[in-house]
Amino acid sequence: RKEVEQDPGPFNVPEGATVAFNCTYSNSASQSFFWYRQDCRKEPKLLMSVYSSGNEDGRFTAQLNRASQYISLLIRDSKLSDSATYLCVVTEAGGGADGLTFGKGTHLIIQP
Amino acid sequence: DGGITQSPKYLFRKEGQNVTLSCEQNLNHDAMYWYRQDPGQGLRLIYYSQIVNDFQKGDIAEGYSVSREKKESFPLTVTSAQKNPTAFYLCASSGRTGGVQAFFGQGTRLTVV
Repeated sequence: RKEVEQDPGPFNVPEGATVAFNCTYSNSASQSFFWYRQDCRKEPKLLMSVYSSGNEDGRFTAQLNRASQYISLLIRDSKLSDSATYLCVVTEAGGGADGLTFGKGTHLIIQP
Repeated sequence: DGGITQSPKYLFRKEGQNVTLSCEQNLNHDAMYWYRQDPGQGLRLIYYSQIVNDFQKGDIAEGYSVSREKKESFPLTVTSAQKNPTAFYLCASSGRTGGVQAFFGQGTRLTVV
């Protein structure tokens, strides 16, 4: 069974700090990786894709480590508005019994 | 604008009643999914479909049914056999199963009264 594991948190972080969390996946054949952000009582929205070479978008950096089968998300200079649940998503080429595999999410709280 | 639309946003069901949640997308996506989310919990897959007239059970399909008669539409019926249907239901679509990002509808919050 394909598994995607995340630390549920919550991570309580002061505003302006740097925070990082990881997501491990069990299927070595996994092809694509994404981080989604979900606000309370809202749908998940794509934050960023995770490429083998890494991906940076402003204060956010995503990394992929295929050898150890994990992806990471780093948030620098955290803002109050970064408070949300961050979902890790893994997909396999050609699909499978469950298409996309979601982690349960990491809850981040940025404190003033 | 292209997107994925769920309706209604809020739905109330009486005990023993079947209800159908709508999901429509105009992104020309082949794959569509239904997830259930309970408070403070992750997403759990109910059903998914890779192509018209075909769908597969997910982890928690019991008490639910779906159809995929058109590429654009993937309605979910919550039947009376689902004993604890109160939850947040999310529909998603992707260009093909695996490899590309998924887009979500805004969700339907179902409450049993």
